[in-house]
Amino acid sequence: GAVVSQHPSWVICKSGTSVKIECRSLDFQATTMFWYRQFPKQSLMLMATSNEGSKATYEQGVEKDKFLINHASLTLSTLTVTSAHPEDSSFYICSASGALDTDTQYFGPGTRLTVL
Amino acid sequence: AQSVSQHNHHVILSEAASLELGCNYSYGGTVNLFWYVQYPGQHLQLLLKYFSGDPLVKGIKGFEAEFIKSKFSFNLRKPSVQWSDTAEYFCAVNQGYSSASKIIFGSGTRLSIRP
Repeated sequence: GAVVSQHPSWVICKSGTSVKIECRSLDFQATTMFWYRQFPKQSLMLMATSNEGSKATYEQGVEKDKFLINHASLTLSTLTVTSAHPEDSSFYICSASGALDTDTQYFGPGTRLTVL
Repeated sequence: AQSVSQHNHHVILSEAASLELGCNYSYGGTVNLFWYVQYPGQHLQLLLKYFSGDPLVKGIKGFEAEFIKSKFSFNLRKPSVQWSDTAEYFCAVNQGYSSASKIIFGSGTRLSIRP
């Protein structure tokens, strides 16, 4: 139980384009989803927290107009990187928590974004 | 602000050696504590967690951790490591009063096991 998937697993895009990453909870209802960014050989940095049906709460220093987060249902959250630039290249990871175990986050496999 | 410190950035051990990875956090209130593991090429997996009760927590794959409140520590231990334990280990904390509140991660410790 408590499986979280992400799609795509990797994506390459040109500078200036937008990329959408999906995060799905497969076997539970995720009332809260989190988006992280992980640089090579570094820890996870929380970008934003989203509750189903509400606007996301962004961490300090994260541009909400650049990283659009939508949590429209209890099983799906999306992160859209708008007008991507090479410095946005990173590993993006989502996690979800919900009724199954409200105090634990379950992590997706991550999405590798490369912006050329 | 909350922070989590993992002082060992890279630990190299031989198989069957004992393991202890340090983790200290800075927060005076009630906390939930976690250890996550990230095997090469795989996603984060929960090893164990502490919310309350017995401060010695047993997790999967023979790992355990001890919460010492007076030292603000939550060290991870395993009596005898295996080559398959090679991975990145992250200590994490969130505020205990709020379910599903944000987790603060430590910088991680890379564990390399020599066969």
